[in-house]
Amino acid sequence: GAVVSQHPSRVICKSGTSVKIECRSLDFQATTMFWYRQFPKQSLMLMATSNEGSKATYEQGVEKDKFLINHASLTLSTLTVTSAHPEDSSFYICSARLLRENSYNEQFFGPGTRLTVL
Amino acid sequence: RKEVEQDPGPFNVPEGATVAFNCTYSNSASQSFFWYRQDCRKEPKLLMSVYSSGNEDGRFTAQLNRASQYISLLIRDSKLSDSATYLCVVVGYGQNFVFGPGTRLSVLP
Repeated sequence: GAVVSQHPSRVICKSGTSVKIECRSLDFQATTMFWYRQFPKQSLMLMATSNEGSKATYEQGVEKDKFLINHASLTLSTLTVTSAHPEDSSFYICSARLLRENSYNEQFFGPGTRLTVL
Repeated sequence: RKEVEQDPGPFNVPEGATVAFNCTYSNSASQSFFWYRQDCRKEPKLLMSVYSSGNEDGRFTAQLNRASQYISLLIRDSKLSDSATYLCVVVGYGQNFVFGPGTRLSVLP
């Protein structure tokens, strides 16, 4: 159990276009999902925390108007990269938090989306 | 100082070797600790949680020293399939995961 999917797995787009990435928890409900970005040979950096039914919380330095997050249901969060530029090319990974009673809260990661902006 | 730091690596070891990774964290209020494994161009996958008493899972042993704010991972009898990047993860009160930069391991035949 606890599977998270992401779509698309890979996208190539032209500079200036917008790209939407979907993150779904397939067999559990997730009130909280997270969006990370990973540049080559670097670690995952948290971009924002996506909360179902409310606004996302963005980390310092992440532009909320450029990276639009929508968490409309308990199983789906979307990240839209608006007016993408080559420097936005990266590996975007989402995760969904699984709440466990009397235990730590584990995050399950999606397979990631590789974005290349030409 | 970065919130989570790890040995820079890469570690190149022969099959069957024992290898240890270290991780330090700066936030003394951190609550939970994990080791994740990430293969090239893939998402991170949970390897094991780290408990204060230390824990072992097969060839893998994780230890936590809260006083020194230090976490370790020991891999015994390395296999070729152990080649990956190992990420130390620290979780604070906000339940947010903070990833270390990772240590790359290559197990050589």
